[in-house]
Amino acid sequence: ETGVTQSPTHLIKTRGQQVTLRCSSQSGHNTVSWYQQALGQGPQFIFQYYREEENGRGNFPPRFSGLQFPNYSSELNVNALELDDSALYLCASSLGGRELFFGEGSRLTVL
Amino acid sequence: EDKVVQSPLSLVVHEGDTVTLNCSYEVTNFRSLLWYKQEKKAPTFLFMLTSSGIEKKSGRLSSILDKKELFSILNITATQTGDSAVYLCAVEALAAGNKLTFGGGTRVLVKP
Repeated sequence: ETGVTQSPTHLIKTRGQQVTLRCSSQSGHNTVSWYQQALGQGPQFIFQYYREEENGRGNFPPRFSGLQFPNYSSELNVNALELDDSALYLCASSLGGRELFFGEGSRLTVL
Repeated sequence: EDKVVQSPLSLVVHEGDTVTLNCSYEVTNFRSLLWYKQEKKAPTFLFMLTSSGIEKKSGRLSSILDKKELFSILNITATQTGDSAVYLCAVEALAAGNKLTFGGGTRVLVKP
């Protein structure tokens, strides 16, 4: 148990739809990062939020967007879903330091 | 672009065997290398390595970093079925915040 919770755990969408994934960080952690993990691959960095501001972004198109709220929880939004967006989406929190605590992830299937 | 390559992709061993996992990397302004264990979903932290030649140990697991040759190894001795998992290697660059670049992982299956 890392104290990082994600919802929903599983969801199925169709191409073109939009999805919102949610993450509650470990208590007191002010930094949240999102990663995409396709089947059989390592996680890929999407972006990071620190004190409600985006603080770094990986090679993902603008249809991947996020938010961080004053309580440091976070959302990942993906618009115009594509089949290749099917993956496990991992949220990780930290206290501005370097050890990341990962949640259990949200598994998205796009049909 | 930062790059991490892990080998082998997968391996099958029997309980009691020793396994060695490899991780090579290319990163601009290296800060640290991390190892994670992923059994089902959430990767769990194993080691963070920042200095060459200093072995880190935790029970039957150990890891070492070679910053000159740009690689790290993770050893697991006296393997148990509970060691079955995907082992992920990641690197962090300076001024990159918590952004980690992960390798593709090594899947380890330990048979009784």
